[in-house]
Amino acid sequence: AQTVTQSQPEMSVQEAETVTLSCTYDTSENNYYLFWYKQPPSRQMILVIRQEAYKQQNATENRFSVNFQKAAKSFSLKISDSQLGDTAMYFCAFTVYRDDKIIFGKGTRLHILP
Amino acid sequence: EAGVAQSPRYKIIEKRQSVAFWCNPISGHATLYWYQQILGQGPKLLIQFQNNGVVDDSQLPKDRFSAERLKGVDSTLKIQPAKLEDSAVYLCASSPVGDSYGYTFGSGTRLTVV
Repeated sequence: AQTVTQSQPEMSVQEAETVTLSCTYDTSENNYYLFWYKQPPSRQMILVIRQEAYKQQNATENRFSVNFQKAAKSFSLKISDSQLGDTAMYFCAFTVYRDDKIIFGKGTRLHILP
Repeated sequence: EAGVAQSPRYKIIEKRQSVAFWCNPISGHATLYWYQQILGQGPKLLIQFQNNGVVDDSQLPKDRFSAERLKGVDSTLKIQPAKLEDSAVYLCASSPVGDSYGYTFGSGTRLTVV
């Protein structure tokens, strides 16, 4: 069975700082996708970034980047120049290639302080 | 492109009562999902439809939960009778078949059972 573990229930950083959210996962599959989703108080799940397991290059989307370590089954999210609007729950998630189901971790509540 | 629509946004009921949630997916998305998100946890898949057929309902408590997707478009999720532990946010999502990157979530229904 696939599992996703986020070991940081809550984090706080000052605005403009860089913050890293940790995620580990467990799977016996070789082809899969990893995601980071943001959930603000509006409850809408917003895709932040995704990584295909077969790609060695780490994905980047503007201020958001990942550190994907396939052998260690680690997938951390780095937010640079953090902004007040980044305050939200962040979920690490996983899906096997060609399987529609997404499995989520328990989330990390991130507070960006002014 | 319109998003995934859900209603109601909030619902408060007494235990043993029944409740229904409605979801309208993105036009053309064949796959529809219902997730349950208990406070402090990540979303957990309850049921997955492809068109109007059930693909996976292994996590659905079938003694009290039911779901249908009429004509492969709108879907309703029902709970009867509700228990206190059913208090959660119920998220609907849709995607094209075999495309987890195209997952789009609705804003969810927050259910409180008292």
